[in-house]
Amino acid sequence: RKEVEQDPGPFNVPEGATVAFNCTYSNSASQSFFWYRQDCRKEPKLLMSVYSSGNEDGRFTAQLNRASQYISLLIRDSKLSDSATYLCVSSGGSYIPTFGRGTSLIVHP
Amino acid sequence: DADVTQTPRNRITKTGKRIMLECSQTKGHDRMYWYRQDPGLGLRLIYYSFDVKDINKGEISDGYSVSRQAQAKFSLSLESAIPNQTALYFCATSEPDRGVGEQFFGPGTRLTVL
Repeated sequence: RKEVEQDPGPFNVPEGATVAFNCTYSNSASQSFFWYRQDCRKEPKLLMSVYSSGNEDGRFTAQLNRASQYISLLIRDSKLSDSATYLCVSSGGSYIPTFGRGTSLIVHP
Repeated sequence: DADVTQTPRNRITKTGKRIMLECSQTKGHDRMYWYRQDPGLGLRLIYYSFDVKDINKGEISDGYSVSRQAQAKFSLSLESAIPNQTALYFCATSEPDRGVGEQFFGPGTRLTVL
């Protein structure tokens, strides 16, 4: 079982919709969590960190649920430019991060 | 200028050839990483280095080697390339006092082994 699991999608939503992705992690010792955005054939770029208290940045909200071992990303008022693959990342007691395989989002007019 | 650069950006080679991919960074970070990305498999860690004298194997190091020539440079070598090493390769850096998942990626090298 992969340490970090994501629904690959694609999630196909209209502009203006609200969409949410979940990501589960298996290592209960994981301490840091992040969401990355990756456009096709481009490098991943950090979108936001995920804190225990939640984290909001404009239309994006990230949350952590330690009891159920998952993190979530909520995107409100989706834009065409939000179309991308979203990667979740966890890092446990080791010093290396573990990436999920990514969730594809397609926002259509 | 980009903080993390990779050369070459694209490379086509033949089975059995030795290939070197190079990564340079101007971010001043001590930690550097090499990943490969394959469709449907996500990012997999090949090697990582926390300092000039530190080299560690990642999840899929077989068939690869690395060299940390300086704080700013981290090279990945394929000693004898094979077709299943065809992939998109990324170099990344991070700071030790930030979460280890907070990484900065280079633009990637698309490698094709025929």
